[in-house]
Amino acid sequence: DGGITQSPKYLFRKEGQNVTLSCEQNLNHDAMYWYRQDPGQGLRLIYYSQIVNDFQKGDIAEGYSVSREKKESFPLTVTSAQKNPTAFYLCASRHPQSNYGYTFGSGTRLTVV
Amino acid sequence: AQSVAQPEDQVNVAEGNPLTVKCTYSVSGNPYLFWYVQYPNRGLQFLLKYITGDNLVKGSYGFEAEFNKSQTSFHLKKPSALVSDSALYFCAVRDRGSGNTPLVFGKGTRLSVIA
Repeated sequence: DGGITQSPKYLFRKEGQNVTLSCEQNLNHDAMYWYRQDPGQGLRLIYYSQIVNDFQKGDIAEGYSVSREKKESFPLTVTSAQKNPTAFYLCASRHPQSNYGYTFGSGTRLTVV
Repeated sequence: AQSVAQPEDQVNVAEGNPLTVKCTYSVSGNPYLFWYVQYPNRGLQFLLKYITGDNLVKGSYGFEAEFNKSQTSFHLKKPSALVSDSALYFCAVRDRGSGNTPLVFGKGTRLSVIA
């Protein structure tokens, strides 16, 4: 089945540590997105990529970094500069036709310990 | 700029009663509108979308939504709620003329259906 796979499902980070969240899709979608979800705040856009080797900052990019070396993969690194990283992280991709919505992964819950 | 408002953080409804989850939007042009549902610790699942044409859109699990351009609203409805409909619901919008800009999501409305 085609879809988006996020791993790991749960991730624990120590203070000062960088961690990378994986997002892989086999839908042949060009565009991919990373959102952060906090209770009562909805989904906030971190980074997005319309095409391989290109990406743009979203509304809350500080403390995060991404790469898009392959169409299928869009990993997110949460750096030590992100002071409050505990959240639920969602990856999504979009069909090439612009009137389609997004397909979401099942999310990664990151906790600082 | 694009924005979405979901004015209710929580909606409670008795099983078997009709439900409405409200959404209003703001775009400079014409909108693409979407509803998604999220169950605990899961990603968002697509429910329905409005692109053009009939203002009443039917989607998954018996949900429907009505596009009202004059009121800039896209409320989600279901004639008879089920306990299994209890979840977090998100409305999202993109301006049709904005190219490939990302969807903007509302803050979500938690629906609780009581048996």
